[in-house]
Amino acid sequence: DTAVSQTPKYLVTQMGNDKSIKCEQNLGHDTMYWYKQDSKKFLKIMFSYNNKELIINETVPNRFSPKSPDKAHLNLHINSLELGDSAVYFCASSPDRVVNYGYTFGSGTRLTVV
Amino acid sequence: AQSVSQHNHHVILSEAASLELGCNYSYGGTVNLFWYVQYPGQHLQLLLKYFSGDPLVKGIKGFEAEFIKSKFSFNLRKPSVQWSDTAEYFCAGNTDKLIFGTGTRLQVFP
Repeated sequence: DTAVSQTPKYLVTQMGNDKSIKCEQNLGHDTMYWYKQDSKKFLKIMFSYNNKELIINETVPNRFSPKSPDKAHLNLHINSLELGDSAVYFCASSPDRVVNYGYTFGSGTRLTVV
Repeated sequence: AQSVSQHNHHVILSEAASLELGCNYSYGGTVNLFWYVQYPGQHLQLLLKYFSGDPLVKGIKGFEAEFIKSKFSFNLRKPSVQWSDTAEYFCAGNTDKLIFGTGTRLQVFP
């Protein structure tokens, strides 16, 4: 069983489109995250939800909107996609917001905007 | 500002060589530090973590790291690397959210 699963794995789309990436975890964790990994492999946190409540919202364009329907799911919707949004997006989860547990990562969604 | 830095951007080794990758952190308070590995085309996997206790931490696949508070460092080591260790290695840490260093690309040649 995949602990943190993301769909789709690959996403190619045109500039200006709206797209969503879905994430689900079956670990019973309370906290979920979205990270963006750019072409230089740099990883930056975007959002975090704890039990459906937004707790971290980094400096991210408001075209990005996370949604957590329940604590096992955290989706990422992106409006008006731009070339610079091309990256790998990783979902992660942890038992709670206490960092020392470490995070479990999904396999990533490679988004290519053309 | 709280940060984690890795100064080795690209390391090339032959099999059986010893490995040490540097990691430094700059923040106070409770220190939680991690090393993650990302094999080509894959997700991040936790190698080891430190949050208290013995500063020498042993992880999976023969890796270990030593937390040295006086040097603000948490370097990753492995006595003898294998070709299968070729990957990107990330140091991470923080108190309220996980922030990553810029990563070190390790290439191991047979």
